Amino acid sequence: AQSVTQLGSHVSVSEGALVLLRCNYSSSVPPYLFWYVQYPNQGLQLLLKYTSAATLVKGINGFEAEFKKSETSFHLTKPSAHMSDAAEYFCAVSFTGTASKLTFGTGTRLQVTL
Amino acid sequence: DGGITQSPKYLFRKEGQNVTLSCEQNLNHDAMYWYRQDPGQGLRLIYYSQIVNDFQKGDIAEGYSVSREKKESFPLTVTSAQKNPTAFYLCASGKAGTGYNQPQHFGDGTRLSIL
Repeated sequence: AQSVTQLGSHVSVSEGALVLLRCNYSSSVPPYLFWYVQYPNQGLQLLLKYTSAATLVKGINGFEAEFKKSETSFHLTKPSAHMSDAAEYFCAVSFTGTASKLTFGTGTRLQVTL
Repeated sequence: DGGITQSPKYLFRKEGQNVTLSCEQNLNHDAMYWYRQDPGQGLRLIYYSQIVNDFQKGDIAEGYSVSREKKESFPLTVTSAQKNPTAFYLCASGKAGTGYNQPQHFGDGTRLSIL
């Protein structure tokens, strides 16, 4: 069965430091991968998506992610964290033939400290 | 601006009561989805619909019901059979059919609590 795993339910970084949020998927068919961000008591906002065009995907707010098929990974990075990046981040995957359904990881809460 | 509107933002349910959560979208999307969010569990799919008058169960449909009479609307009823309804409920919409690589768009959620 297809699934997605986010390593680390909580990540804390200093302001200005590198942000790295990990996402690994399990699939026997090519996946479509997404990163979403959620601020408290709000819905999810799309950060970026991978749809088999380019392996390095740039998103909003300075985030980017690289699809690595050999590692079945789609980690999210940002070179320099800002206080406003504090939120929960979700990795999600969909596959052809699944009625556009998304399977979500359990989320990673990012804390940014001074 | 196009988007998804969920109402109410907060909802309280009494024992044995059914409650209905509203979801309306003006994005002209064919597909709509309901998710339940609990701390540490991510989002779990309750029901989804790809076309008017048709819908399918997701992973945790027990104790919930939906209808899809209009393209713009996909209300969710939390029935008294759902014994643990306290959660944050999110509605989403997206392109159906060939839209596997298309993202879903989310509303701002409804937080349901038991009185």
